[in-house]
Amino acid sequence: QLQLQESGPGLVKPSETLSLTCTVSGGSISSNNYSWGWIRQPPGKGLEWIGTVYYSGSTYYKPSLKSRVTISVDTSKNQFSLKLSSVTAADTAVFYCASQHSNSWGWFDPWGQGALVTVSS
Amino acid sequence: EIVMTQSPATLSVSPGERATLSCRASQSVSSNLAWYQERPGQAPRLLIYGASTRATGIPARFSGSGSGTEFTLTISSLQSEDFAVYYCQQYNNWPQFTFGPGTKVDIK
Repeated sequence: QLQLQESGPGLVKPSETLSLTCTVSGGSISSNNYSWGWIRQPPGKGLEWIGTVYYSGSTYYKPSLKSRVTISVDTSKNQFSLKLSSVTAADTAVFYCASQHSNSWGWFDPWGQGALVTVSS
Repeated sequence: EIVMTQSPATLSVSPGERATLSCRASQSVSSNLAWYQERPGQAPRLLIYGASTRATGIPARFSGSGSGTEFTLTISSLQSEDFAVYYCQQYNNWPQFTFGPGTKVDIK
């Protein structure tokens, strides 16, 4: 059974780069059965898809975030990561990693438990 | 970008009653729609995909319907654990995905 777990700093200063890692267990990150995505939720607000990396290495990002986002895979550690540059207070959110299955590359299941990242000096 | 809207924003329901939640897409998403449940302090959980197929382990009291631009999630008899926020998500516009703003189901 696939399980995901986010990790990373809980506090980032404005203008710096937010970095999070998602560790995958119960399956291989190199599998062509899965893609790996990041979703965020600002306090008291809804869910926002950030981007996805596919087994092929292709990445897709939300257009409004594209200039600041990088998602990459580390197959040696069975992890994938998120980097969001030039952060502001508006980037404060709970960040979730999640997977999509090749049966549709559509819905997200399962999700990690989430990691709160606060942007503040 | 396909914009998803949900109504109502908050739905107050008594335990045992039926809850009907709506989700609308700004353009057709066919049946490429999923529903999630988010309990306080927990990650979202997949309930429904393909507009009407329950995910593994989801009780039969949850049902989804609709296609195109109009979708409904029905909870036939609310249990205490069902009071949560529910989100819809379209995946027709692959590889761009969008979520609705959510409907909070609280106790009447």
